[in-house]
Amino acid sequence: GAGVSQSPSNKVTEKGKDVELRCDPISGHTALYWYRQSLGQGLEFLIYFQGNSAPDKSGLPSDRFSAERTGGSVSTLTIQRTQQEDSAVYLCASSLAPSGWYTEAFFGQGTRLTVV
Amino acid sequence: GNSVTQMEGPVTLSEEAFLTINCTYTATGYPSLFWYVQYPGEGLQLLLKATKADDKGSNKGFEATYRKETTSFHLEKGSVQVSDSAVYFCALRGGFKTIFGAGTRLFVKA
Repeated sequence: GAGVSQSPSNKVTEKGKDVELRCDPISGHTALYWYRQSLGQGLEFLIYFQGNSAPDKSGLPSDRFSAERTGGSVSTLTIQRTQQEDSAVYLCASSLAPSGWYTEAFFGQGTRLTVV
Repeated sequence: GNSVTQMEGPVTLSEEAFLTINCTYTATGYPSLFWYVQYPGEGLQLLLKATKADDKGSNKGFEATYRKETTSFHLEKGSVQVSDSAVYFCALRGGFKTIFGAGTRLFVKA
């Protein structure tokens, strides 16, 4: 598609369940990013992919969070044993190879996760 | 590490008022600076950017100048419209990671 696509757009889950969030980046974009936007907060960096590898996972809040990317395209963010504090909007962004300082990141519309 | 600080909101203005949203940053090296906007119900989109000191980014009547001496990138618009109501994020990119400020919500009243 023309833009970054995320699914589902909304997800309500029970505490303790696992969830998977999906991101389809813009075709040809090798860099992919996950951010989290909690209510009233800024964007919190979670993880960055270059191709299928993740050079920086430093933002993942705990070992319940993991992410993978396959084929240099689709990425899945998995949250295991969800907690109420995981409720947030999870944003995915992609950009061309990040080697330049000028590269703009394009964002998807996000997945709103609510843990009840 | 790198960080971005922007003024807290919400900011409420009347239509045609002058807008300033302050943003300061801390960074090593020479980062690129951005303003992103998030309209109600929509995703983030780039509003403007500046890649080196003294550059001025502009778009849709908004402007911001990269001031290295004051480590600032304040967003301005001379005459706001109701349609400018949104959340504005100042951001810094050093290397591959983009660091965002907390966002400033702007309400413009008719």
